[in-house]
Amino acid sequence: EAAVTQSPRNKVTVTGGNVTLSCRQTNSHNYMYWYRQDTGHGLRLIHYSYGAGNLQIGDVPDGYKATRTTQEDFFLLLELASPSQTSLYFCASSARDSSNERLFFGHGTKLSVL
Amino acid sequence: AQKVTQTQTSISVMEKTTVTMDCVYETQDSSYFLFWYKQTASGEIVFLIRQDSYKKENATVGHYSLNFQKPKSSIGLIITATQIEDSAVYFCAIGYYNQGKLIFGQGTKLSIKP
Repeated sequence: EAAVTQSPRNKVTVTGGNVTLSCRQTNSHNYMYWYRQDTGHGLRLIHYSYGAGNLQIGDVPDGYKATRTTQEDFFLLLELASPSQTSLYFCASSARDSSNERLFFGHGTKLSVL
Repeated sequence: AQKVTQTQTSISVMEKTTVTMDCVYETQDSSYFLFWYKQTASGEIVFLIRQDSYKKENATVGHYSLNFQKPKSSIGLIITATQIEDSAVYFCAIGYYNQGKLIFGQGTKLSIKP
């Protein structure tokens, strides 16, 4: 079974703070994704990548940066955190393009911006 | 515009019965993929089942099956002989060739009563 590990599991920061969420997958998957989950909205795609050094913009990218440093590691950066970014964040990976391939999800990071 | 809608916010059924969860989508493409994912109480999100739009046969995996009605842009998830552990939030999603992302619905919370 594919393994996707997120850290930290919980994070509290203040408005204007700097936050980095980390994700590592150990299954040699090409694609990695960052989603946020909010009540009433389901899962919304922030950014994704199909390989080291690549970055694609998702559906709700404003206020977020991301970087894929290696095939295994994908980071989500909030440089000036706002309360609207309080959410549950999921990282996911897939062997190929997720449009026809199942996603494997991490356990999520709960972020609170005060 | 591409959109996925799950109108049932929550459903509650008795154990060992059959339940259907609805999902409708908006698309202008003739070829796409439809997915259902399950999010357990612990927050873990796992893939359940997939339907390719060009296939007329409804997909079945274990006690999960799909009711795919392409003319109605509808993909219902049917769970037969429900068990307590089926209690979860269920998301449907749509994906397209070479677009590298999935669009999720808002989710339906299913509660199974003993």
